Amino acid sequence: DARVTQTPRHKVTEMGQEVTMRCQPILGHNTVFWYRQTMMQGLELLAYFRNRAPLDDSGMPKDRFSAEMPDATLATLKIQPSEPRDSAVYFCASGLGQGAGADTQYFGPGTRLTVL
Amino acid sequence: DAKTTQPTSMDCAEGRAANLPCNHSTISGNEYVYWYRQIHSQGPQYIIHGLKNNETNEMASLIITEDRKSSTLILPHATLRDTAVYYCIVRVSGTASKLTFGTGTRLQVTL
Repeated sequence: DARVTQTPRHKVTEMGQEVTMRCQPILGHNTVFWYRQTMMQGLELLAYFRNRAPLDDSGMPKDRFSAEMPDATLATLKIQPSEPRDSAVYFCASGLGQGAGADTQYFGPGTRLTVL
Repeated sequence: DAKTTQPTSMDCAEGRAANLPCNHSTISGNEYVYWYRQIHSQGPQYIIHGLKNNETNEMASLIITEDRKSSTLILPHATLRDTAVYYCIVRVSGTASKLTFGTGTRLQVTL
């Protein structure tokens, strides 16, 4: 069945290194979300796109984070330079933009990032 | 989006019904009640949503009070695989937009 896929599933890196996380949304979904989950903050939205255009990235630290959708089948979240406080699980979710079922978001398995 | 209040944790015996409450006293007329759950080490999973009528699907039932200020998610026959954190979210429906997750209810299903 159709699923959101994320790579890598786990990433350990050192402070200052660049990290790129990738997400493949469900085919036909035109809305893609990036969430971050930590023990302290819980699940929080970083950014989301519709039809590849950013709609809201207010939850994302602008100085080091960037999110893009090079095409409809790929979304990326990049951190440069990474810091220990970025250690978290990053989830990608996708959904339909409008119509029946528009509000259901389908989440990927997440990327567990550890920054040493 | 309206604020929701859920108990921090609940226990349920396997095979019994799990009833998870949610208070949303400031809900607006155009806001829906959504439920998602997150099983350990997995991404959140949509369960069900409703506006004012009771809803049922293959996973659960959603009971919304007449004044819409509270609701209950019912898992009719809980299994060990239903152990998860359950999130009640209130938001306007129509177009896909962000979900605001609270702390949820940690449901532990036991033998």
